[in-house]
Amino acid sequence: GAVVSQHPSRVICKSGTSVKIECRSLDFQATTMFWYRQFPKKSLMLMATSNEGSKATYEQGVEKDKFLINHASLTLSTLTVTSAHPEDSSFYICSAIKTENTEAFFGQGTRLTVV
Amino acid sequence: GENVEQHPSTLSVQEGDSAVIKCTYSDSASNYFPWYKQELGKRPQLIIDIRSNVGEKKDQRIAVTLNKTAKHFSLHITETQPEDSAVYFCAASWSGNQFYFGTGTSLTVIP
Repeated sequence: GAVVSQHPSRVICKSGTSVKIECRSLDFQATTMFWYRQFPKKSLMLMATSNEGSKATYEQGVEKDKFLINHASLTLSTLTVTSAHPEDSSFYICSAIKTENTEAFFGQGTRLTVV
Repeated sequence: GENVEQHPSTLSVQEGDSAVIKCTYSDSASNYFPWYKQELGKRPQLIIDIRSNVGEKKDQRIAVTLNKTAKHFSLHITETQPEDSAVYFCAASWSGNQFYFGTGTSLTVIP
């Protein structure tokens, strides 16, 4: 299988600051990357879909100015949580696909805690 | 966007019995349906997938069926083992532009 690495795995930040989470496909070029938020014992909620070189497509209810997504290359997408608040505390996880209609490979996730 | 519903949310079976998890989707354009297993504290891992031109697919103890007309697909696990205990997610995708997950099923296999 392919490897997707997400960094950091855990981060604690102060309210009002910004946090950047990286998602890298280590051994393949990802046409598309997805960002999800997962609440405890809950499903993966799709936040946005990002394609290299174009603007991310955000799901309804997700603030694009709050959750900035940059897909700078075929192997890297970043999610920046701006002006973080305690309610942004969650588990964020990315996935990447090589081509359409194929397996999505997940990163290990990032546990964000805003204090 | 796509709306994927999954049932049941929790499922307990005796070791050796079968487990069935069902999902429905709303977007008729969806054409790729993977199933993922997520163990506690780990990332989701693909266990089986099916594409819209196929009605059934089997891999050892795991099988998936798809009914495109009714827009539902199911996961079947036979001869369950304790290590099958995990949360299972179905998903529906349309040409890679959408990748929506069901609400998850927590499966417990009782030894």
